[in-house]
Amino acid sequence: DSGVTQTPKHLITATGQRVTLRCSPRSGDLSVYWYQQSLDQGLQFLIQYYNGEERAKGNILERFSAQQFPDLHSELNLSSLELGDSALYFCASSARQPHTDTQYFGPGTRLTVL
Amino acid sequence: DQQVKQNSPSLSVQEGRISILNCDYTNSMFDYFLWYKKYPAEGPTFLISISSIKDKNEDGRFTVFLNKSAKHLSLHIVPSQPGDSAVYFCAAINAGNMLTFGGGTRLMVKP
Repeated sequence: DSGVTQTPKHLITATGQRVTLRCSPRSGDLSVYWYQQSLDQGLQFLIQYYNGEERAKGNILERFSAQQFPDLHSELNLSSLELGDSALYFCASSARQPHTDTQYFGPGTRLTVL
Repeated sequence: DQQVKQNSPSLSVQEGRISILNCDYTNSMFDYFLWYKKYPAEGPTFLISISSIKDKNEDGRFTVFLNKSAKHLSLHIVPSQPGDSAVYFCAAINAGNMLTFGGGTRLMVKP
């Protein structure tokens, strides 16, 4: 158990809908990262937050947004969902933000868009 | 453009023997490298890391080797155990904080 929790575990929805994925980092960790794992793209970095502020952005679509709240939990919002958004979404956390800090991953949320 | 590549999608090894997983990268700005292990229905679990200023890091049965000139790293597991059967991901990062993963290698350790 990494100490990172993600809810829900599974999510099934329809095209065009909007969903919110939630992540609670390990106790004391200030950085949160979001990743997408799809069959054809592998694990891809989406976005990082540190202590409430966006710090790095990867291959995140404009239809996706994220935020980190004062209690350090984070939410990833996916809107106007398409079939291709079906994937595993992982959250990771690390203590601070130097890139040598180990990132610990949550169990993931499996999103299925029908 | 895949900046981190794991060219072997799968590897089968006998219990007790050495497992060698390989990874190549193209971006010379990467300065920190990690290996993660992933079981089905779980998130990746950190295994071992190495800074670009080193060429070897060892932790128990796991050793990571880095050849900067060849832009190649490898993970050695000795001796291999059936519980090591999982998908192994190589990852690289630079100061931009973007962890870039390889496609993964599925390791099967046979009893």
